[in-house]
Amino acid sequence: SAVISQKPSRDICQRGTSLTIQCQVDSQVTMMFWYRQQPGQSLTLIATANQGSEATYESGFVIDKFPISRPNLTFSTLTVSNMSPEDSSIYLCSVAAVRQGIYGYTFGSGTRLTVV
Amino acid sequence: LAKTTQPISMDSYEGQEVNITCSHNNIATNDYITWYQQFPSQGPRFIIQGYKTKVTNEVASLFIPADRKSSTLSLPRVSLSDTAVYYCLVGDPMDTGRRALTFGSGTRLQVQP
Repeated sequence: SAVISQKPSRDICQRGTSLTIQCQVDSQVTMMFWYRQQPGQSLTLIATANQGSEATYESGFVIDKFPISRPNLTFSTLTVSNMSPEDSSIYLCSVAAVRQGIYGYTFGSGTRLTVV
Repeated sequence: LAKTTQPISMDSYEGQEVNITCSHNNIATNDYITWYQQFPSQGPRFIIQGYKTKVTNEVASLFIPADRKSSTLSLPRVSLSDTAVYYCLVGDPMDTGRRALTFGSGTRLQVQP
């Protein structure tokens, strides 16, 4: 199955600044998915990133706040812009994976963001 | 996508068998049931997937009754390291890669010594 490297693993940022999270996959994938997980909560989908086209955002998430790049089939970035303390969360990327004939998803280890 | 309902939390002791049940009354014909495990500060990890009857792997067993409206994840002889959140998801594997996963609230399992 795919292996995902996500960086940084954690960061503490000042409000008003921006942070870019990188997600590198060891194989080519068509779609990559970005999630947010607030403390003690489940995962919420932010957007779907398809190589060669604009990302598709879920309700409540906008491109100006969470711009996404997808320059090739193995890499994507998510930027959290103009941060506020409410953006403190874990951010995860995910790709589809097939192992032993089973279709599932692999997740990065996450980026724990704290905004102060 | 079929909605799932699971208990919010469960407690157990080391060495016990833990069964977590998930309800998915609106499951579609092509849907499979997949369980993920998430440890603190990590992304979810695939545990097991099944369509009907029983599936077993090195980590867990998955029991699915004939009507497929529910499923039960069984963890044999849990240890402290099984403390995690367990998510039940339902979907068509052929959508894998084309559609993101929709996570419910999950079940927070706490294993005590």
